[in-house]
Amino acid sequence: NAGVTQTPKFQVLKTGQSMTLQCAQDMNHEYMSWYRQDPGMGLRLIHYSVGAGITDQGEVPNGYNVSRSTTEDFPLRLLSAAPSQTSVYFCASRLTGTRTDTQYFGPGTRLTVL
Amino acid sequence: SQQGEEDPQALSIQEGENATMNCSYKTSINNLQWYRQNSGRGLVHLILIRSNEREKHSGRLRVTLDTSKKSSSLLITASRAADTASYFCATDTGRRALTFGSGTRLQVQP
Repeated sequence: NAGVTQTPKFQVLKTGQSMTLQCAQDMNHEYMSWYRQDPGMGLRLIHYSVGAGITDQGEVPNGYNVSRSTTEDFPLRLLSAAPSQTSVYFCASRLTGTRTDTQYFGPGTRLTVL
Repeated sequence: SQQGEEDPQALSIQEGENATMNCSYKTSINNLQWYRQNSGRGLVHLILIRSNEREKHSGRLRVTLDTSKKSSSLLITASRAADTASYFCATDTGRRALTFGSGTRLQVQP
């Protein structure tokens, strides 16, 4: 299994541009989520999904959209990039709603918005 | 504000010493998890402790949980230079995905 994969690893955008961060997992996990990590801080939840076709907002959803058309993929869209969205983005997944399942993280996407 | 807050924010010790990190949280939890993050990398799950457990061990890791004080501690015994990383606690309240604290940066000097 490749686990949780994210692309791209690095991205530089100009203010106002849009882009999609890709996330995929091959473990047949139901739960997937997106976090952002700012320097010296922990992770903050952006959006999450409990299964294909179901998404919900996290702590900091503004400026981001998600969709979950398949179990495997959970892309994160930046609609109009702003410098405040400069961050490292992590995608994560876990098997089911069972709270004791281990959460697996992707390697991250480092985004800079100029 | 963050559900989980780690203390201290940074910790520097010598190889062979024990490292203790603390986590406090605000609301009731189903479980609490500890993760490690090496510089520039993703997070790696270390250990999970359920709300009805008080202590758990995994190799050189020892985690305690005090639900009355809403706090947890992570002890790394006989630390190694390879333990240098940031350590995060994450709480599962059953409502959303995990909520993470701001982390403790551990530096183990060889």
